[in-house]
Amino acid sequence: GDSVTQMEGPVTLSEEAFLTINCTYTATGYPSLFWYVQYPGEGLQLLLKATKADDKGSNKGFEATYRKETTSFHLEKGSVQVSDSAVYFCALATNTGNQFYFGTGTSLTVIP
Amino acid sequence: GAVVSQHPSRVICKSGTSVKIECRSLDFQATTMFWYRQFPKKSLMLMATSNEGSKATYEQGVEKDKFLINHASLTLSTLTVTSAHPEDSSFYICSASQGDSRIYGYTFGSGTRLTVV
Repeated sequence: GDSVTQMEGPVTLSEEAFLTINCTYTATGYPSLFWYVQYPGEGLQLLLKATKADDKGSNKGFEATYRKETTSFHLEKGSVQVSDSAVYFCALATNTGNQFYFGTGTSLTVIP
Repeated sequence: GAVVSQHPSRVICKSGTSVKIECRSLDFQATTMFWYRQFPKKSLMLMATSNEGSKATYEQGVEKDKFLINHASLTLSTLTVTSAHPEDSSFYICSASQGDSRIYGYTFGSGTRLTVV
């Protein structure tokens, strides 16, 4: 079945470091891919998305490219800030739109 | 953009009592809403799918009689935790999509922190 595999955390980085959080997926057909962010004590917010192969989603300095050949959607940011400390979830919507799958989440802590 | 409002944000209740959590789509209609449970430092666990005008669909292992779901209108779903016990203490989150989830993804409520004492 469809699924999302996300790198284990937690991740701790210094401010201004480069961030990569890996996400790979297994799916039938052509899913849509998402990254959500959850700040402490809050619900999830959509960070970015890509609906077809080679699309690049971007928001707030974060980017992810939908790579069908490697079935990946890795999240990157060139220079993280303390305010980026949160849990990041990779997610997939199946090509029928009927199912939505989350990765296990990756906790990021950015230290000054 | 789409907004999902969830109330209350925090609730403390005594063992044996019931607690109702509301999830509202504020600027769109949602025939389907989802309820998740999140344990500390863990991912989201889908509990049930709430369907407007019909019975909810529960995931395996989720007690229907303990977690009552009602989706009486296109903008409101409620989750009632009945006869709550300390092990029901958790973070509960609802979500809905304003349209095709492949395009819009899902919008989440801000969550409800339930503590049963």
